[in-house]
Amino acid sequence: EAGVAQSPRYKIIEKRQSVAFWCNPISGHATLYWYQQILGQGPKLLIQFQNNGVVDDSQLPKDRFSAERLKGVDSTLKIQPAKLEDSAVYLCASSLAGGPSSGNTIYFGEGSWLTVV
Amino acid sequence: AQSVSQHNHHVILSEAASLELGCNYSYGGTVNLFWYVQYPGQHLQLLLKYFSGDPLVKGIKGFEAEFIKSKFSFNLRKPSVQWSDTAEYFCAVNALAGNTPLVFGKGTRLSVIA
Repeated sequence: EAGVAQSPRYKIIEKRQSVAFWCNPISGHATLYWYQQILGQGPKLLIQFQNNGVVDDSQLPKDRFSAERLKGVDSTLKIQPAKLEDSAVYLCASSLAGGPSSGNTIYFGEGSWLTVV
Repeated sequence: AQSVSQHNHHVILSEAASLELGCNYSYGGTVNLFWYVQYPGQHLQLLLKYFSGDPLVKGIKGFEAEFIKSKFSFNLRKPSVQWSDTAEYFCAVNALAGNTPLVFGKGTRLSVIA
């Protein structure tokens, strides 16, 4: 079974530039998550989708971050303009509908490493 | 809101030593509990999970964890570690009610030396 696919794996940009990350979840997984993992910390949820609707985006810095999942399958996370503190690994994850509250496992991609200089 | 505390930032053990990594959570309701592992250069993967039933949960690679409700704890254990267990270990929790995401602790880095 194919896992969660993410691209690009690595990106270096200057502050105030923009960047976009793409994620393709496991086939059939209705729930998709974007997490941010800063070095030395655990992953922090940015946004959660159920199909193409947003379930939780309370921790997404909406002045610079945006995410969409237009067709309920793959998703894009964008940062514009980037700040130095956005340097992190951006993890995409997916699960069957209902997520872990319904007994489903969350599967993670390998992450997209962003360095803002 | 839920929160997770992992007591140890970095643990160094010799091969064959026993392991226990602490995890405490803060949440007033019913929770699901997880341990994820991230081997060097690899993605996060599920080690074990507790949803209900027997509070002693067995996972892959000889790991187990015990849910102690009165202590809000879910400590990870392994009787004898191997060099290949060198990794970052994350405890996570989610509320049973609603379609809630995982909340992670800061992680514990385990280094196993020969």
